Amino acid sequence: GAVVSQHPSRVICKSGTSVKIECRSLDFQATTMFWYRQFPKKSLMLMATSNEGSKATYEQGVEKDKFLINHASLTLSTLTVTSAHPEDSSFYICSARDVSNEKLFFGSGTQLSVL
Amino acid sequence: AQSVTQLDSQVPVFEEAPVELRCNYSSSVSVYLFWYVQYPNQGLQLLLKYLSGSTLVKGINGFEAEFNKSQTSFHLRKPSVHISDTAEYFCAVSAAGGGNKLTFGTGTQLKVEL
Repeated sequence: GAVVSQHPSRVICKSGTSVKIECRSLDFQATTMFWYRQFPKKSLMLMATSNEGSKATYEQGVEKDKFLINHASLTLSTLTVTSAHPEDSSFYICSARDVSNEKLFFGSGTQLSVL
Repeated sequence: AQSVTQLDSQVPVFEEAPVELRCNYSSSVSVYLFWYVQYPNQGLQLLLKYLSGSTLVKGINGFEAEFNKSQTSFHLRKPSVHISDTAEYFCAVSAAGGGNKLTFGTGTQLKVEL
């Protein structure tokens, strides 16, 4: 089946540094990818929709200058958490929509811990 | 906008027993409904989905769900669970034709015991 690779699976960083998370569709092309954030015991919250070759669409309340999204190719979207703070610690999950059949596939997530 | 409620955060059940995981939604427009499963250290995997047609939907691994519009529910059922069904289950909703923009519930941890 289709695979979405998300890297890294876990990252620990110091407050004030930036962290980049990658989301790759390994065997299909994805013009649209989605980035979610999940807090413990909470639902996945959609942060933004990443569109290949254009600007991402952010959900209300999500700081676009804080969470930079780049979707430069049909198989890769990146989320950069800039100047990370402890409150940014969370589980981040991406999903990618296969252009050939519109099916959605999820990555395995990234646990970010900011000290 | 849509919202999803999964009232049960944890459901313990013995192996070979039946199970029902509850999901209720709210929406002012027509919706598509989904159940996803997340095994430890893995991504979300689609179990089943309701788009239109028959309200009883069958999915993978012996799971099924029934769309009840009057009760705004989409409960997930399995007649006999296995240890391997232990996982986190998420109910999700999107506006019909909404381009895969999903709203998720808080998840239900299914723990199957011997």
